[in-house]
Amino acid sequence: DAGVIQSPRHEVTEMGQEVTLRCKPISGHDYLFWYRQTMMRGLELLIYFNNNVPIDDSGMPEDRFSAKMPNASFSTLKIQPSEPRDSAVYFCASSSLAGVETQYFGPGTRLLVL
Amino acid sequence: AQSVTQLDSQVPVFEEAPVELRCNYSSSVSVYLFWYVQYPNQGLQLLLKYLSGSTLVKGINGFEAEFNKSQTSFHLRKPSVHISDTAEYFCAVSSGNTPLVFGKGTRLSVIA
Repeated sequence: DAGVIQSPRHEVTEMGQEVTLRCKPISGHDYLFWYRQTMMRGLELLIYFNNNVPIDDSGMPEDRFSAKMPNASFSTLKIQPSEPRDSAVYFCASSSLAGVETQYFGPGTRLLVL
Repeated sequence: AQSVTQLDSQVPVFEEAPVELRCNYSSSVSVYLFWYVQYPNQGLQLLLKYLSGSTLVKGINGFEAEFNKSQTSFHLRKPSVHISDTAEYFCAVSSGNTPLVFGKGTRLSVIA
């Protein structure tokens, strides 16, 4: 298996622009997680899905952030409009069970908002 | 609610020396415990996990951890570190069918 795939790996954009991050989970995994990592706040869970349904989005910082999972093999995290404080590394992870089985992380998307 | 405290944000250690990275957790229910490692510019990968059974868990790359319920700890150890072990290490806890709660990480720096 190719593992969790994220694109793009790097994104540089200007404040106010829309940013879309993409994730393809491991085939057969029912859970998908979006995390944000910064030096100041560490690793934060933004939202997670079970069988394509959002279960908990309490970690999404503001209405500017939205996430979708239209099918079992694809998810997006969108920021509109982006702000400099959104600069971070965004990780997608998937697992077959939420808290027992191993979470497999993608390589991350490094976002810089100017 | 669950929480994880990693007591050291940075740990420098000389090559071939032993190391212990400390992790304490808080939970009102039974827990599952994990250690993940993050190498520079990469995602996290699992080192080891405790679900049940023996409290001493062995993982990849020569690491091991011991679950201590009375002290609510899950410290990570390696008897002899290598330069390649330089990375950030995350402890995480779950109560089962819930997402992992991660600690803030410990940066291990191995010095030649």
